[in-house]
Amino acid sequence: QVQLVQSGPEVKKPGSSLKVSCKASGDTFNTYAISWVRQAPGQGLEWMGGIIPMYGTTNYAQKFLGRVTITADESTSTAYMELSSLRSEDTAVYYCARGSWTPKKDYFSYFYMDVWGTGTTVSVSS
Amino acid sequence: DIQMTQSPSTLSASVGDRVTITCRASQSISSWLAWYQQKPGKAPKLLISRASSLEGGVPSRFSGSGSGTEFTLTISSLQPDDFATYYCQLYNSYSLTFGGGTKVEIK
Repeated sequence: QVQLVQSGPEVKKPGSSLKVSCKASGDTFNTYAISWVRQAPGQGLEWMGGIIPMYGTTNYAQKFLGRVTITADESTSTAYMELSSLRSEDTAVYYCARGSWTPKKDYFSYFYMDVWGTGTTVSVSS
Repeated sequence: DIQMTQSPSTLSASVGDRVTITCRASQSISSWLAWYQQKPGKAPKLLISRASSLEGGVPSRFSGSGSGTEFTLTISSLQPDDFATYYCQLYNSYSLTFGGGTKVEIK
């Protein structure tokens, strides 16, 4: 059974950048899509974007375009999410999650997530 | 972008109650809808995909229905372990969209 283990908690200053890792074990990493979902304190779930490691292609939510970069290293079965220009509103728990995908004419379409990471708590404060 | 709206946002119920949560899409999404359960401090857990397909290991008291723009998650007889927050999610899309969540509280 695949497990997704994320990096530890982070405390960041406004304006800085964040990089969170998500290491997969126990199953084929590169054939799935890895999405990043965040949850601010007391709030709902928000999809940020994802990557299909075997192709290196990414999908990003409009809200985060230009500020988030998602990458993957197939050799270590690890996905990364980098978020720049941090502000207090980025304080949240960040999850990675595995899901299937299917090719469409001009893009890759993402499916639901069946395996979730351990979560990384990020606090942005001056 | 397609918007997903859940109602109610909070629901108070007792053990044994039948509970129904609604999720509406701003345009038709066929049956491309999933439901998740999330408990405090934990990652979400997938309950249902394709609007009505129960994931393995999920108790049969959970069921999903609907297609197009209106969907429901029903818990036929609420159990103590079911007090949690539930989210619907649009998928088979470039971007994934969650509903705002429904918190099921003890009455």
